[in-house]
Amino acid sequence: DSGVTQTPKHLITATGQRVTLRCSPRSGDLSVYWYQQSLDQGLQFLIQYYNGEERAKGNILERFSAQQFPDLHSELNLSSLELGDSALYFCASSVDLDRGWNIQYFGAGTRLSVL
Amino acid sequence: DAKTTQPTSMDCAEGRAANLPCNHSTISGNEYVYWYRQIHSQGPQYIIHGLKNNETNEMASLIITEDRKSSTLILPHATLRDTAVYYCIVRDAGGTSYGKLTFGQGTILTVHP
Repeated sequence: DSGVTQTPKHLITATGQRVTLRCSPRSGDLSVYWYQQSLDQGLQFLIQYYNGEERAKGNILERFSAQQFPDLHSELNLSSLELGDSALYFCASSVDLDRGWNIQYFGAGTRLSVL
Repeated sequence: DAKTTQPTSMDCAEGRAANLPCNHSTISGNEYVYWYRQIHSQGPQYIIHGLKNNETNEMASLIITEDRKSSTLILPHATLRDTAVYYCIVRDAGGTSYGKLTFGQGTILTVHP
């Protein structure tokens, strides 16, 4: 158990809908990262938040947004869903102290199926 | 971040050492080598990381060549539960890529009875 909690585990929805994925980081971790894993793209970095502020951005679609709340949990919002958004979505967290190395611990993921 | 090259797949007999190579010939001085693995659609699991010295923990050993252009992850006594995709990642400690891990295709390790 990595200590990172993601809910829900599975999500089935229809095209055009909006969903929210939730992530609770490990105790003490200030950074949260979101990744998408689809069959054809592999694991892709979406976005990072550090202590409530956006810190780094990957190839995240404009239809997707995220935020990190004062209690450090994070939500990834996916809107106007398309069939191609079906994927595993992973959240990771890290302490993110000012040092040269940084270990990210991943949650079990949310499997999103868009029908 | 520097690009990494790994074999697509490898096999290993249960109980034997699994040696997974990774080439990162363009690695720069402040880039760390990380290894993660992913067991059948579970979340990626951190294994080990290193800068230039060899490292060992309870899961594995990491051997980095002196020129740092390649490394080998060693699972000393592979079990069936070690069957997974293993990712070698090189990541800069700072700069705009500070946040992300860039996963390649990894090596599919299959441990046989």
